[in-house]
Amino acid sequence: DADVTQTPRNRITKTGKRIMLECSQTKGHDRMYWYRQDPGLGLRLIYYSFDVKDINKGEISDGYSVSRQAQAKFSLSLESAIPNQTALYFCATGTPRPRSDEQFFGPGTRLTVL
Amino acid sequence: GQQLNQSPQSMFIQEGEDVSMNCTSSSIFNTWLWYKQDPGEGPVLLIALYKAGELTSNGRLTAQFGITRKDSFLNISASIPSDVGIYFCAGRGNAGNMLTFGGGTRLMVKP
Repeated sequence: DADVTQTPRNRITKTGKRIMLECSQTKGHDRMYWYRQDPGLGLRLIYYSFDVKDINKGEISDGYSVSRQAQAKFSLSLESAIPNQTALYFCATGTPRPRSDEQFFGPGTRLTVL
Repeated sequence: GQQLNQSPQSMFIQEGEDVSMNCTSSSIFNTWLWYKQDPGEGPVLLIALYKAGELTSNGRLTAQFGITRKDSFLNISASIPSDVGIYFCAGRGNAGNMLTFGGGTRLMVKP
């Protein structure tokens, strides 16, 4: 079984709809991240959480919100989706020790906003 | 914010050839990481570097943490068709705890 799972894997929605992307992990890591990937732009950080009570904005948090329901679950919401939020979304996990910068990614969710 | 310039953007090589790609930063980085992304999948960590000058191998892959701490290199020896994918560098600088990612190098291998 995959260590980091994301649901759904693909989603098509309409402008203005509320969307939730979910991430679960069995790695036992404290740290979880949400990234967005656009062609040629690499990965950009949306939000991150170092434990259940910790939520931090990343580089591009506007238009997004997150919830850390448990150590193993971290969900990303688009309150009112817009077309320029069409992208690949990745969840990642990490641990503070021993190598705190290493992150492990899920398979991604392809989101299309019409 | 911090930026990483990754080059080349794409490479089309013959199977068996060696490959080199690099990443440069305008500021000092404390950590360099190299990832590979296959189509339809998330990035997979290949090599992590934590010390300036460090040279680390993972099979046919070798990565180096530049002495200036502003660059890193990834070499792939004797490329094979399954090396096809997008390679990303990532780094963490002094400005914060988060990783900055390069734009990726798309590698295509002709059998």
